[in-house]
Amino acid sequence: QVQLQESGPGLVKPSETLSLNCTVSGGSMITYYWSWIRQSPGKGLEWIGFIYSSGSADYSPSLKSRVTMSLDTSKNQFSLKVTSVTPADTAVYYCARRVGVGFDYWGQGILVTVSS
Amino acid sequence: QSALTQPRSLSGSPGQSVTISCTGTSRDIGSFNYVSWYQQHPGKPPQFILFDVSKRPSGVPDRFSGSKSGNTASLTISGLQADDEADYYCCSYAGNYNYVFGTGTTVTVL
Repeated sequence: QVQLQESGPGLVKPSETLSLNCTVSGGSMITYYWSWIRQSPGKGLEWIGFIYSSGSADYSPSLKSRVTMSLDTSKNQFSLKVTSVTPADTAVYYCARRVGVGFDYWGQGILVTVSS
Repeated sequence: QSALTQPRSLSGSPGQSVTISCTGTSRDIGSFNYVSWYQQHPGKPPQFILFDVSKRPSGVPDRFSGSKSGNTASLTISGLQADDEADYYCCSYAGNYNYVFGTGTTVTVL
């Protein structure tokens, strides 16, 4: 059973960089796409982007200028960085595995609050 | 890209059926048979319940079914059960390696 677990700071100051990691267990990262999705408090889901096991990535057009993803298959981890954050970036951030064009395994999510 | 449009809330009695619509555009739902659906209970991550419009992942009961017509996809829950009370989100491939989610629908079991 594949499991994903997000980790990182729960509080980030405005204008700083949000950095999160996702650790994958119970399965290989190879030949899969790994995604980040967020959910603002009381709101819907927003796709942030994904990274393939080769390291190539694609991002949502609305966040592309501020987002970078990376991965380390030897550590079974992939990462998300969002620069120049504002309170609008406050959300629960989920990591998920993409299979086909759906997302089959999700982490429990981590709440990141942007506040001074 | 704009979020796909879903009704804010729906309700039904146990045993009844409810159908959740998900309306997009010709650039997303209308162009691809790549719609997936997710069920989310409060405080939990979303769970994958349908993909490619109407296919069910292993373990998902056949009470959940999907369809698509034009720019609108639909999820039908038949034989409504108490545990079906949750938020439901659609998601569509939108071309150029992009994805867009729906606004979400809260289903209440009366």
